[in-house]
Amino acid sequence: QQQVKQSPQSLIVQKGGISIINCAYENTAFDYFPWYQQFPGKGPALLIAIRPDVSEKKEGRFTISFNKSAKQFSLHIMDSQPGDSATYFCAASKDRGSTLGRLYFGRGTQLTVWP
Amino acid sequence: SAVISQKPSRDICQRGTSLTIQCQVDSQVTMMFWYRQQPGQSLTLIATANQGSEATYESGFVIDKFPISRPNLTFSTLTVSNMSPEDSSIYLCSAAGLAGLDTQYFGPGTRLTVL
Repeated sequence: QQQVKQSPQSLIVQKGGISIINCAYENTAFDYFPWYQQFPGKGPALLIAIRPDVSEKKEGRFTISFNKSAKQFSLHIMDSQPGDSATYFCAASKDRGSTLGRLYFGRGTQLTVWP
Repeated sequence: SAVISQKPSRDICQRGTSLTIQCQVDSQVTMMFWYRQQPGQSLTLIATANQGSEATYESGFVIDKFPISRPNLTFSTLTVSNMSPEDSSIYLCSAAGLAGLDTQYFGPGTRLTVL
């Protein structure tokens, strides 16, 4: 059973456009929602993360929007650049605090930004 | 952030042999994990490497096939035993709990090909 559902599977955006990737979850115990960026041949790198006590978090061109009641969160990449072309994974975990829970990953979104 | 290294970065092995992958973190961390990632696919958790005790395996993964060691807070190994071509994949280690933070960092991965 997929604990975190991610869409779309692939996304093509023109340079300067907005890339939007969506994720949904069912387990209300999840309390940590990171996004990872992965380039070919590399391990995933943490991009940005959010907790359910806020509805939005912005870091540079990257913004997470979080809707607790709908159990959905999304990644927005503003002014998308060719260098953003990568695979993006959303994830979720529970057990906040001293005991760190495992991450449940979405299936990933392959983003291509055309120059 | 934590710097995680893996050895080897890639290997080509014969069917029936075993390969041990090493994961080294540059700081003490609470949790270490091992994942498998097929090309173009999401990450599948193999097990949580527990310091000083037996690893906790996910459904579908067993200790005889994937023995794991974690002798201290910065190092872990994963062995892929009695390999078959179906074991060809990218194996990633991750670490969490650095300085009390929840963030999970990933190593660069080990690309394994079994002939």
